[in-house]
Amino acid sequence: KAGVTQTPRYLIKTRGQQVTLSCSPISGHRSVSWYQQTPGQGLQFLFEYFSETQRNKGNFPGRFSGRQFSNSRSEMNVSTLELGDSALYLCASSLLGRAVNEQFFGPGTRLTVL
Amino acid sequence: DQQVKQNSPSLSVQEGRISILNCDYTNSMFDYFLWYKKYPAEGPTFLISISSIKDKNEDGRFTVFLNKSAKHLSLHIVPSQPGDSAVYFCAARLLQGGSEKLVFGKGMKLTVNP
Repeated sequence: KAGVTQTPRYLIKTRGQQVTLSCSPISGHRSVSWYQQTPGQGLQFLFEYFSETQRNKGNFPGRFSGRQFSNSRSEMNVSTLELGDSALYLCASSLLGRAVNEQFFGPGTRLTVL
Repeated sequence: DQQVKQNSPSLSVQEGRISILNCDYTNSMFDYFLWYKKYPAEGPTFLISISSIKDKNEDGRFTVFLNKSAKHLSLHIVPSQPGDSAVYFCAARLLQGGSEKLVFGKGMKLTVNP
């Protein structure tokens, strides 16, 4: 079974631009969660999508948005990029949105904002 | 407000000895605690978890201890192996309206020396 895939793996953007990151979950998984990892803050929860609906949301500004398609693939969009958005963005998939024993992370997309 | 804290950024131990990784939390509503291991250029992988109603869970070389009154948990790795060298994240689960949110610590880098 293929794991969670994220594209692109690396991205360089400039301030003010927008970016879209993609996550393909493990086949059959319906939940996709997004996290931001920075050296100073560790992993911070962005949002979770389940069956195309946003079920939970972290404390990030409205510049961060996401969506999930009918095939469970998910995209995350960040508009008006700021230097502080430079981070590793991780997505995780699970069958029913339960982390214990069943959530798997992708390798992440490294975003650098110049 | 960091609800899950890993106060030591790094730990270095000798192969064969015990590694003890600590984690403190502040929110008494957390019902599950999880440990993840992360290698460079890979996403975190789930290691072991413990329910808030238990005080110990063991899986092979890995044991997690929970002290609810102190709001403290620890991960013991015995014996430590060089392949255990990675960044370890402690996470706590919060159930909100049927969906869950994971709150992560900032991570701790473990180095196991041969």
